[in-house]
Amino acid sequence: AQTVTQSQPEMSVQEAETVTLSCTYDTSESDYYLFWYKQPPSRQMILVIRQEAYKQQNATENRFSVNFQKAAKSFSLKISDSQLGDAAMYFCAYRRVINTGTASKLTFGTGTRLQVTL
Amino acid sequence: NAGVTQTPKFRVLKTGQSMTLLCAQDMNHEYMYWYRQDPGMGLRLIHYSVGEGTTAKGEVPDGYNVSRLKKQNFLLGLESAAPSQTSVYFCASSQRTSGSKEQYFGPGTRLTVT
Repeated sequence: AQTVTQSQPEMSVQEAETVTLSCTYDTSESDYYLFWYKQPPSRQMILVIRQEAYKQQNATENRFSVNFQKAAKSFSLKISDSQLGDAAMYFCAYRRVINTGTASKLTFGTGTRLQVTL
Repeated sequence: NAGVTQTPKFRVLKTGQSMTLLCAQDMNHEYMYWYRQDPGMGLRLIHYSVGEGTTAKGEVPDGYNVSRLKKQNFLLGLESAAPSQTSVYFCASSQRTSGSKEQYFGPGTRLTVT
């Protein structure tokens, strides 16, 4: 079974600074997808960034980027120029490649609560 | 598009009572999912559906039943609520095609069982 581990229950960053959230996962598969979801106090789950395991290039979305180390099974999220609105719970998630006719569930880590201070 | 909606947003039940949570999506997605979120844990899959009329068990299915009579709706039922089912419940949906298609989540339902 796949597992996702987020070892940092809480992190804090000053506004405009950079922070990195860690995520490791365990799988025997070679092809899969990885995601970071943001959950603000509103509870809404918002996709931040995704990475396909077959792509060597790290995904980037504006101020958000990942450091994907496939051999080490590591998938960290870097937030640059942190803003007050970035304060939220961040979840790392893993998903197998979908096969036709079946659904593939997301396996979530336990989350990292990010505080952004002035 | 409303996306994924959930009804109700909050509910308090007494032990032994029953209730149904409704999830609706207007994106014509084939796949739908029910997750629960507990403090200190990530979301865990309860049941999922790959299409109208089909459902399957997820990671933590005990004490729950589901139905997918219409493509756009996915119902989660608790026949006899227990305090261990106090949680926040999320519904999600996604396309059937392969690729890194994201799951779209509803706003969640906070359920308290006393």
